Amino acid sequence: NAGVTQTPKFRVLKTGQSMTLLCAQDMNHEYMYWYRQDPGMGLRLIHYSVGEGTTAKGEVPDGYNVSRLKKQNFLLGLESAAPSQTSVYFCASSYPDEQYFGPGTRLTVT
Amino acid sequence: SQQGEEDPQALSIQEGENATMNCSYKTSINNLQWYRQNSGRGLVHLILIRSNEREKHSGRLRVTLDTSKKSSSLLITASRAADTASYFCATGGPNFGNEKLTFGTGTRLTIIP
Repeated sequence: NAGVTQTPKFRVLKTGQSMTLLCAQDMNHEYMYWYRQDPGMGLRLIHYSVGEGTTAKGEVPDGYNVSRLKKQNFLLGLESAAPSQTSVYFCASSYPDEQYFGPGTRLTVT
Repeated sequence: SQQGEEDPQALSIQEGENATMNCSYKTSINNLQWYRQNSGRGLVHLILIRSNEREKHSGRLRVTLDTSKKSSSLLITASRAADTASYFCATGGPNFGNEKLTFGTGTRLTIIP
């Protein structure tokens, strides 16, 4: 099993550009999450999903949108990137106990 | 805002020694989890303790939970160089299960060979 995978691993965007981060899991987990990690801030929850077709806002949802069209995939979109969105983004899945994390996407917005 | 706060923020010990890190939280929980993060990698789940448990063991790990003090501790015995990582506590509940966790800011542990 691959576990949780994320694409891309690295990305540099210019302010105002858009992009989609893809998360995929092969563990048949119901719950999926998107976090951002910034120095000294720990992990902060952006959006999460408790099942296919459902999404909910986390602690820092502004500027992001998500979709869960298929159980195994959870997409995070940035419609108009801002320098404040420079961060490392982690996807995770669970059912429902411990969370399994992907390797992360390092995003820089210039 | 962060629910959990780890203490200390950084810890350096000699290989073979025990490492203890603490986590304090603010609101009621139904479980508390500890995760490890190696540099540049995703988090890895270590152990989960529920609110009705006081102590739990897993290999060289020992976790305690004191809900009256809203605190938890993680003890790593006989440390190894491979234990060098950041350690995070995460709390879930009380109004839902584990589907949403709140993470602390982490303790950076360095094991000196």
